[in-house]
Amino acid sequence: EVQLLESGGGMVQPGGSLRLSCAASGLDFRMYVMTWVRQAPGKGLEWISVISGSGYNSYYAASVKGRFTISRDNSKYTMYLEMNSLRVEDTAVYYCAKVNGPLAGRSSRFDSWGQGTLVTVSS
Amino acid sequence: SYVLTQAPSVSVAPGQTATITCGGDNVGRNSVHWYQQKPGQAPVLVVYDDTDRPSGIPERFSGSNSGNTATLTISRVEAGDEADYYCQVWDSDSDHYVFGSGTKVTVL
Repeated sequence: EVQLLESGGGMVQPGGSLRLSCAASGLDFRMYVMTWVRQAPGKGLEWISVISGSGYNSYYAASVKGRFTISRDNSKYTMYLEMNSLRVEDTAVYYCAKVNGPLAGRSSRFDSWGQGTLVTVSS
Repeated sequence: SYVLTQAPSVSVAPGQTATITCGGDNVGRNSVHWYQQKPGQAPVLVVYDDTDRPSGIPERFSGSNSGNTATLTISRVEAGDEADYYCQVWDSDSDHYVFGSGTKVTVL
């Protein structure tokens, strides 16, 4: 059974930084694209970043591009999200999710999710 | 950027059928996936590739996709189906994933 466990959330002031981690088990981690999705309080799901199995390719939503960096350490079965220049509007539950295969594409969906970690940006 | 539009809410009586739509420009050319999210929980994939169900998802959940509208249908609705439902596609023009705005299903 695939398990994903996020950590690293907390409260930070505007302009601050935070690093989230997503520890995976129950899968051949390097074989899967991984992604981060967030959900602001009372709002819908927002995709923010994706990384290939090798870690060489990544993409970002416009709302976080240039401020957030996704990475992974396949030897540790862990994905990361480095968040800089945080804004009040970045306040959300951040979920990591596993994509169903090695490539992002037309049939690409999120078939396993973590329980999320809350990031609160406030002064 | 590609936009998926969903109605904010749908209400349905137990035992009836809930129909949740997801509108997008030529969305029928994409593969649409659907997620169920109950309060305080992570989303769960309930339909993928327009019509397929992951193992463990009841046959009451079905999907279709054509033209500018994808549809998730929940037959014989139960109280436990009350949740938010989101559609999702991969936008190949931007190499981004896109979620719909979500539909809250209320069981009367």
